[in-house]
Amino acid sequence: GAGVSQSPRYKVAKRGQDVALRCDPISGHVSLFWYQQALGQGPEFLTYFQNEAQLDKSGLPSDRFFAERPEGSVSTLKIQRTQQEDSAVYLCASSPKRTNEKLFFGSGTQLSVL
Amino acid sequence: AQKITQTQPGMFVQEKEAVTLDCTYDTSDPSYGLFWYKQPSSGEMIFLIYQGSYDQQNATEGRYSLNFQKARKSANLVISASQLGDSAMYFCAMREEDINNNDMRFGAGTRLTVKP
Repeated sequence: GAGVSQSPRYKVAKRGQDVALRCDPISGHVSLFWYQQALGQGPEFLTYFQNEAQLDKSGLPSDRFFAERPEGSVSTLKIQRTQQEDSAVYLCASSPKRTNEKLFFGSGTQLSVL
Repeated sequence: AQKITQTQPGMFVQEKEAVTLDCTYDTSDPSYGLFWYKQPSSGEMIFLIYQGSYDQQNATEGRYSLNFQKARKSANLVISASQLGDSAMYFCAMREEDINNNDMRFGAGTRLTVKP
């Protein structure tokens, strides 16, 4: 596709459920990022991949959060045993290899944990 | 660690006037990029403008310009001739050149409201 695609667009989960959020980056983009954005706040960094390698996961808030990108393209962010504080918009972004390149963002997945 | 500071939670501007949104940053890396993104109520992140740390001139993109003061570590966004459609959240961000510390970090944002 032409842009970064995220699915689902909206997700409602009961507290304690596991969820999986998918990101399809722009074809050929080496770098892939996940961000968490609470209402009225700026995007908070979660994790970063170059190809299939997860270079930085320092932003993951707990061990309930796990991200993977096994073949260096599609990425999945998994949240286990969801809590109400996990409710947020999860943004995925990708960029070409050059490190100063801008990020191209998907539309996000809005997660609501009830 | 990178740090981006946007000190203006909200700003108001009259239509057709210019407005400056403040951004300061902190980094020890000599090579980095500075970015501004716009996020309207629809939620999409729209790239506006980029400034490289070694760029000699301030970046401009249409009605957007970046007032880059490297010694003061500031990268303020100037929007000229404001339009009603400019009402949105605006985020400043930085990305370092270091391949091992290459993630992009964002400020808390400024909500701009353009008044008719």
